[in-house]
Amino acid sequence: ETGVTQSPTHLIKTRGQQVTLRCSSQSGHNTVSWYQQALGQGPQFIFQYYREEENGRGNFPPRFSGLQFPNYSSELNVNALELDDSALYLCASSFRKQVGETQYFGPGTRLLVL
Amino acid sequence: AQTVTQSQPEMSVQEAETVTLSCTYDTSESDYYLFWYKQPPSRQMILVIRQEAYKQQNATENRFSVNFQKAAKSFSLKISDSQLGDAAMYFCAYGTGTASKLTFGTGTRLQVTL
Repeated sequence: ETGVTQSPTHLIKTRGQQVTLRCSSQSGHNTVSWYQQALGQGPQFIFQYYREEENGRGNFPPRFSGLQFPNYSSELNVNALELDDSALYLCASSFRKQVGETQYFGPGTRLLVL
Repeated sequence: AQTVTQSQPEMSVQEAETVTLSCTYDTSESDYYLFWYKQPPSRQMILVIRQEAYKQQNATENRFSVNFQKAAKSFSLKISDSQLGDAAMYFCAYGTGTASKLTFGTGTRLQVTL
């Protein structure tokens, strides 16, 4: 069974640039959620994708956007990067159920915005 | 809005001893799910244990067990026979419905000493 993978592991960008982060879900999973974890904080929910559509969004501006592909992998795109976007970005996959999914996380992408 | 509070920023335990990490949450929902995740320095968030709110029995997973007090909205994690590999950040998380959007606490850093 293949776990959740993310790429790249580290990334350095400058303010105003755009970035794309990638996530491959765990085998058998059809839902992907993205979280932002600032240094010393718990993860904050950004959004979730199910059946290639956004299915819930946290308190993040529209410059955070995403995609889910037919193979259930996903991308997180951030436009017009700001210094505060520096964080660990975590992807989690799960199998959509009526209730009580368990999310399994990838190793994250560390983004530094200068 | 749901909130999750972890009031212990750091805890320390000797190898082979028992330690309890605290978590409280605030919700108006009656049906929800609670999780403990471990995040070692490798950054990957690893599921430790989950609890369904409708279950009165406390969840256990080998050396890990929870004390779930629904009325008090408390969800503590007990680690028995602590091992050096248990050293990590521990996050308490809450989810409702499909539990696909998790709300995390700020974490407790656990040190394990010889």
